[in-house]
Amino acid sequence: SAVISQKPSRDICQRGTSLTIQCQVDSQVTMMFWYRQQPGQSLTLIATANQGSEATYESGFVIDKFPISRPNLTFSTLTVSNMSPEDSSIYLCSVLRGGTDTQYFGPGTRLTVL
Amino acid sequence: DQQVKQNSPSLSVQEGRISILNCDYTNSMFDYFLWYKKYPAEGPTFLISISSIKDKNEDGRFTVFLNKSAKHLSLHIVPSQPGDSAVYFCAASVGGGTSYGKLTFGQGTILTVHP
Repeated sequence: SAVISQKPSRDICQRGTSLTIQCQVDSQVTMMFWYRQQPGQSLTLIATANQGSEATYESGFVIDKFPISRPNLTFSTLTVSNMSPEDSSIYLCSVLRGGTDTQYFGPGTRLTVL
Repeated sequence: DQQVKQNSPSLSVQEGRISILNCDYTNSMFDYFLWYKKYPAEGPTFLISISSIKDKNEDGRFTVFLNKSAKHLSLHIVPSQPGDSAVYFCAASVGGGTSYGKLTFGQGTILTVHP
């Protein structure tokens, strides 16, 4: 497995502001992903964070709203831009090591937008 | 289109008995399946997985069964313990290509194990 940390663990933000969430892994991983879990819903993949290039976004998610960076093999950030109450969710990063099929998840960031 | 479905929102079981959590999928391209457990305020914790080339995988108290013809998998927990009380998510992925690593999750089943 991998030790994954996320910062912040939770935040309460005002409408129209932006929040950047950090994901740090204790060792190099091949792939990093960002998921969202809206209240009462399942987990939905936002995008795959690609090291050194633009992230790959899933249908319904765009770079202007959720810019992602991955400067190296152990770190990634997700920004939730111009927030609205509908963005209130738990945001989770996950990682996948080369040659394996099992994703491991961070503890999540609980975001509340007022 | 919900490609992975967990039709039971909740399940209540007595300690020591068997818990059976079910999951159905519609995408025949899925070839790898995982179960995660999630406690409140924590990220999902990996439990057990199964490849489509198998029909059963066992790890301690946890066994996952895969029925490809029915597009159905189940997680058996024997014996159930109060610490197993959590939300259980079924997830599926397509190996290789541009979909590699993308997990599609079910809605989750809340398991409550009573002492």
